[in-house]
Amino acid sequence: DAKTTQPPSMDCAEGRAANLPCNHSTISGNEYVYWYRQIHSQGPQYIIHGLKNNETNEMASLIITEDRKSSTLILPHATLRDTAVYYCIVGDMGRRALTFGSGTRLQVQP
Amino acid sequence: DAGVIQSPRHEVTEMGQEVTLRCKPISGHDYLFWYRQTMMRGLELLIYFNNNVPIDDSGMPEDRFSAKMPNASFSTLKIQPSEPRDSAVYFCASSFQDREVETQYFGPGTRLLVL
Repeated sequence: DAKTTQPPSMDCAEGRAANLPCNHSTISGNEYVYWYRQIHSQGPQYIIHGLKNNETNEMASLIITEDRKSSTLILPHATLRDTAVYYCIVGDMGRRALTFGSGTRLQVQP
Repeated sequence: DAGVIQSPRHEVTEMGQEVTLRCKPISGHDYLFWYRQTMMRGLELLIYFNNNVPIDDSGMPEDRFSAKMPNASFSTLKIQPSEPRDSAVYFCASSFQDREVETQYFGPGTRLLVL
C-alpha cells in the first residue's frame, strides 16, 4: 500500500471550513484514497473515498489532484463535534485491510 | 442496525490471566477485522476474516494471541497468558464484500488493562 503523509495537527475555527491535506506521492493507479476519523474514545468512522474524481457526501468533500499524488479533505462548516483525528489511507480493492498512519489531530475552536 | 458490538467494553486483569474479547459484526457483513490501538504504535491490524475464514493473521503479535470466528455473527480474540504490554484498546470492524471499496464499520472498542 502507498504511504501517506499528513500534518500532525491543525486548528480550525467553528463554522469555518477545515481543509486537511494528505500527500500520497507513491499511489498506484488502482489505489483508492480513503478518509476516516476517530473521535476521542470511539472507533474510527468512515468519511469518504475517491479514486480520481472529486467526491462529496453529507459529511465532507474530497479533492484529489490530477496527478493523484495528494488530496484534501474539506469539512465545509466545522463544528466542535468535528474535533477528532483524521486518517488519510491509500489502498487497493484487492487487499481489504487498511493501514492507518498517525493522522491529523483537528481541533475545532469555539 | 445496532452496528458492531463488542464486549466487554472494559477489562482489567492481572498478568498471566486469560482474556477473551468478543465481537458481533453487522448482520450481512462477510469481512471481520481485529485491530489494536496504543499510543506508541497507533492503530494496527491484527487479523481479518472473510466468510469466517482467517485471511491474514500476519499482524498477530505472537502465539499468545488467537482469534476465531465460529460463525458469521461472532468472533473472539483471546490472549493467553496476558502481559502488561498487551494493554491497549482493541477494536473490531466489519465490512461487506460486494462494495468496490473498503468501508469498514468499527465497534466501540474494548479497553484492556493488564496489571
